[in-house]
Amino acid sequence: GQNIDQPTEMTATEGAIVQINCTYQTSGFNGLFWYQQHAGEAPTFLSYNVLDGLEEKGRFSSFLSRSKGYSYLLLKELQMKDSASYLCAVREQYGGSQGNLIFGKGTKLSVKP
Amino acid sequence: DVKVTQSSRYLVKRTGEKVFLECVQDMDHENMFWYRQDPGLGLRLIYFSYDVKMKEKGDIPEGYSVSREKKERFSLILESASTNQTSMYLCASSLHRGSHQPQHFGDGTRLSIL
Repeated sequence: GQNIDQPTEMTATEGAIVQINCTYQTSGFNGLFWYQQHAGEAPTFLSYNVLDGLEEKGRFSSFLSRSKGYSYLLLKELQMKDSASYLCAVREQYGGSQGNLIFGKGTKLSVKP
Repeated sequence: DVKVTQSSRYLVKRTGEKVFLECVQDMDHENMFWYRQDPGLGLRLIYFSYDVKMKEKGDIPEGYSVSREKKERFSLILESASTNQTSMYLCASSLHRGSHQPQHFGDGTRLSIL
């Protein structure tokens, strides 16, 4: 079956570091995406991992371990504007199911002063 | 920047009406998608299209149909709206099949069926 798990909610303090985990079980794997979605707005693309390891982009980093079916999004120097939902999405194997994205239910992050 | 435009941010319709949700992208993307997003359920794929006049069912196509007559436009149709179709509807597009390029989303249409 296909399953993507991430925590429902997290709370962190302004200026701190937070790690949002995502575990997945899918029929094939062709990349993992992280999106940010502010309340009432569209999801916006944050990062993409297809190989094992860490991808860094400013205050945001994303890690992937394909053997463990595991990824995390790391947010450093948290700001109030980082309060949002963070969506983990796995691309299925291209060819088997056209490479569509399977989304987790999202993690709602609240940043407090 | 990629621009995905959905025709309405908010829409209120009545049970039994035929409802059209329009989506246009301006980056010559091949792929277009319609999702609905509900609290506790996340994003669920309704229909997608990889080319003009091509359409395929996603995970929850019942009660919906789509049309893609032009590459830039992908329409979602609720044939006979029901209250359980009250939801946030999101359109997305991406470059081409199998690409590592991300999907880009429109601002969403919050649809209420009374």
